[in-house]
Amino acid sequence: EPEVTQTPSHQVTQMGQEVILRCVPISNHLYFYWYRQILGQKVEFLVSFYNNEISEKSEIFDDQFSVERPDGSNFTLKIRSTKLEDSAMYFCASSELIASGGVKLGSYNEQFFGPGTRLTVL
Amino acid sequence: DAKTTQPPSMDCAEGRAANLPCNHSTISGNEYVYWYRQIHSQGPQYIIHGLKNNETNEMASLIITEDRKSSTLILPHATLRDTAVYYCIASFSGSARQLTFGSGTQLTVLP
Repeated sequence: EPEVTQTPSHQVTQMGQEVILRCVPISNHLYFYWYRQILGQKVEFLVSFYNNEISEKSEIFDDQFSVERPDGSNFTLKIRSTKLEDSAMYFCASSELIASGGVKLGSYNEQFFGPGTRLTVL
Repeated sequence: DAKTTQPPSMDCAEGRAANLPCNHSTISGNEYVYWYRQIHSQGPQYIIHGLKNNETNEMASLIITEDRKSSTLILPHATLRDTAVYYCIASFSGSARQLTFGSGTQLTVLP
């Protein structure tokens, strides 16, 4: 069964350093997302991405964050200058475009999540 | 997206049906009800969704009341591996919609 993969599984970095978290979405999916979950807290939406553009972003997704689809398979989240409070589990997700007869019907929000990258900022 | 309310925790005996309730009294006519679960810090996993009619798949059944103000997720024969946090989310079925996770219900399946 196809699945979303994420690398690395655990990243430790020093405060102020840049990190790049990588995701490989399911191959025929066209919508990509990043979420994060601080230990013991709720899963929080960061950003969604479609057709090489950001579709939605939350207040958390400030100028320190960026996303990119550098090639046909990877989807990355970059944090430019990490802070202690960026320590969290980061989940990538993807969903497909439901279409019939060339008509876009929507993704039905069946989002497939990866296993996550645990980011620890020291 | 409409707010949803779930009990913080529930227990269920292994092999029995687990019935997880969700209130979404302010849901609008074109908002779907989605259920996801998260097993111990893994990525959330989609379970099922519905709009008005009851739905069933290989994982669970979803019962939505006629007024759509509440729903129940049913795991027909709970196993220890079903122990997880279950999230009920009301959301429009548009493209690239963010999912707003609440605190969910911690379901513990007891041997």
